[in-house]
Amino acid sequence: EIVLTQSPGTLSLSPGERATLSCRANERVKNNYLAWFQQKPGQAPRLLIYGASSRATDIPDRFSGSGSGTDFTLTISRLEPEDFAVYYCHQYGDSPLTFGGGTRVDFK
Amino acid sequence: QVRLVQSGAEVKKPGAAVKISCKASGYTFTTYYMHWMRQAPGQGLEWMGVINPNTGSISYSQRFQGRVTMTRDTSTTTVYMELSSLRSDDSAVYFCARRDRDTYRSEYWGQGTLVTVSS
Repeated sequence: EIVLTQSPGTLSLSPGERATLSCRANERVKNNYLAWFQQKPGQAPRLLIYGASSRATDIPDRFSGSGSGTDFTLTISRLEPEDFAVYYCHQYGDSPLTFGGGTRVDFK
Repeated sequence: QVRLVQSGAEVKKPGAAVKISCKASGYTFTTYYMHWMRQAPGQGLEWMGVINPNTGSISYSQRFQGRVTMTRDTSTTTVYMELSSLRSDDSAVYFCARRDRDTYRSEYWGQGTLVTVSS
């Protein structure tokens, strides 16, 4: 199965700063079927990015995804207070579908 | 609008089974596959399997093979996930999520169902 490793585990930043989250796969993600989700406590995950770089419906343009093959990045250009949450990468190109362990973005 | 509404929280004893429902509305039910995922407390997400509501065909994660059964009822636009031989480490929030037909993305999720396994 494809193992996704996210780094860092925690990112401590202030509102207005830039956040860069990494997701590395142990083998190539087929068709770049790589998504990013945001999750807040008690809520279902919210899709931010799919296909490595396409923003989902109603997602602000401060969120962007990049990368291909085995290395992917989620960038939040300027953090808003509501962006402090846990972020997961997810590959859906191969079965079993798998998720990374998550990166927590919290207040510095 | 697309809605996925799951059944309520469950408390089960070890060895029992749990069956969770996910009622879909706002779209043509048979057109979109449905995934099931779970998330143990404080942990990450785990994929359990996917069902084609049109044909009923299923692909399960090997990790749950033999313990999980996914079904659908097209008359009520509901998919079900049953997990048997429950253990304490099956305590988790279970989610259904719709797979987009063209992009395969999972944009729409149910609200989650908490299952607690405790003696």
